[in-house]
Amino acid sequence: DTEVTQTPKHLVMGMTNKKSLKCEQHMGHRAMYWYKQKAKKPPELMFVYSYEKLSINESVPSRFSPECPNSSLLNLHLHALQPEDSALYLCASSSNRGGGGETQYFGPGTRLLVL
Amino acid sequence: AQSVAQPEDQVNVAEGNPLTVKCTYSVSGNPYLFWYVQYPNRGLQFLLKYITGDNLVKGSYGFEAEFNKSQTSFHLKKPSALVSDSALYFCAVREDYGQNFVFGPGTRLSVLP
Repeated sequence: DTEVTQTPKHLVMGMTNKKSLKCEQHMGHRAMYWYKQKAKKPPELMFVYSYEKLSINESVPSRFSPECPNSSLLNLHLHALQPEDSALYLCASSSNRGGGGETQYFGPGTRLLVL
Repeated sequence: AQSVAQPEDQVNVAEGNPLTVKCTYSVSGNPYLFWYVQYPNRGLQFLLKYITGDNLVKGSYGFEAEFNKSQTSFHLKKPSALVSDSALYFCAVREDYGQNFVFGPGTRLSVLP
């Protein structure tokens, strides 16, 4: 099973709200990723967790706060977002056994609208 | 630094005809190349990848891709296009032991009935 699940599917929030996106995988993968994707553009990497530790933060504003509570779960906490943060947020995972040939498996995404 | 180019924003093909979606790459080390497809309002679905070995890679849904080291290309092909193949296609590259994919800008494929 190569499934990554994400909740919620859609989220509308005001600029003063606090919300969280959730991602889950049960493939035994030890690397998990958050991407942001604008319409008709490629995904942009935000964060990478490797063995539940944050290994890459691509200079993402602090209003985005990732969390990896265990090897199967990845959260993205949102606070005081701006309208330009509206996008599709994608979670992905990979085995993290090393080497460049690992496949990343993507979830269906959360469509976020910031008003 | 690694980079990926997809020279065509849009590819139109008639149903039943062969399709090609082009990808060229630039890496300093060994390339690991991937193709993903994205349907509207969905995540990316893995189609196929090249790691090593045969230059012709076969993947899901009848797609295949040919790795050409001298031309630094990894074009996606299908012998007979279906209307349901209409989607956004992304080529991606990763270098040895890197965690980051670098995605191309994407190519929108439209298969016309």
